[in-house]
Amino acid sequence: DVKVTQSSRYLVKRTGEKVFLECVQDMDHENMFWYRQDPGLGLRLIYFSYDVKMKEKGDIPEGYSVSREKKERFSLILESASTNQTSMYLCASSLWAGDRPYEQYFGPGTRLTVT
Amino acid sequence: GNSVTQMEGPVTLSEEAFLTINCTYTATGYPSLFWYVQYPGEGLQLLLKATKADDKGSNKGFEATYRKETTSFHLEKGSVQVSDSAVYFCALSPIQGAQKLVFGQGTRLTINP
Repeated sequence: DVKVTQSSRYLVKRTGEKVFLECVQDMDHENMFWYRQDPGLGLRLIYFSYDVKMKEKGDIPEGYSVSREKKERFSLILESASTNQTSMYLCASSLWAGDRPYEQYFGPGTRLTVT
Repeated sequence: GNSVTQMEGPVTLSEEAFLTINCTYTATGYPSLFWYVQYPGEGLQLLLKATKADDKGSNKGFEATYRKETTSFHLEKGSVQVSDSAVYFCALSPIQGAQKLVFGQGTRLTINP
């Protein structure tokens, strides 16, 4: 079974702190994704990576950055956390398939609260 | 642009009732369509998918048919169980940028015994 793990289930940080959210997948997937999930808004893509050190902005990248130094690990960084970044963060991975979509596998999520 | 619209929730049904969750989309060409489910405390998991017009995806008693004439992919189940209580997300994978998914806002379903 594909497993996507996230470093924390719950996290509480203060405004202005630098926050790291870590995601690891064990199936050698090329693609990795970070989403945020908010009630009534569904999932919105923050960043996407299709290879080591390669990244692409999603729909809401402002206030976030990412790092992918190894194929299995994809980190989301909040440079200076703000209260409007309080949300559920979901990591996902999938195979690279060119122009064909492959199933995305999701981690359990990190609920981040910024106070 | 690409977008997905789902029926507003929450939806509350009794066990063994018939379920429909509506999903319509806007996209260029013929995207692939998906339903994902999120059980309490878990991440999303793929429920079913359809990659071309008139395809029917099915899994665990759930079905959805890709209707290009109405740009819809409605989720149905004939007899729901308490264990079906979850949040359901409709999503599309566009022709260009097929690796990414565009999600609807999610529909919370609660089944009462």
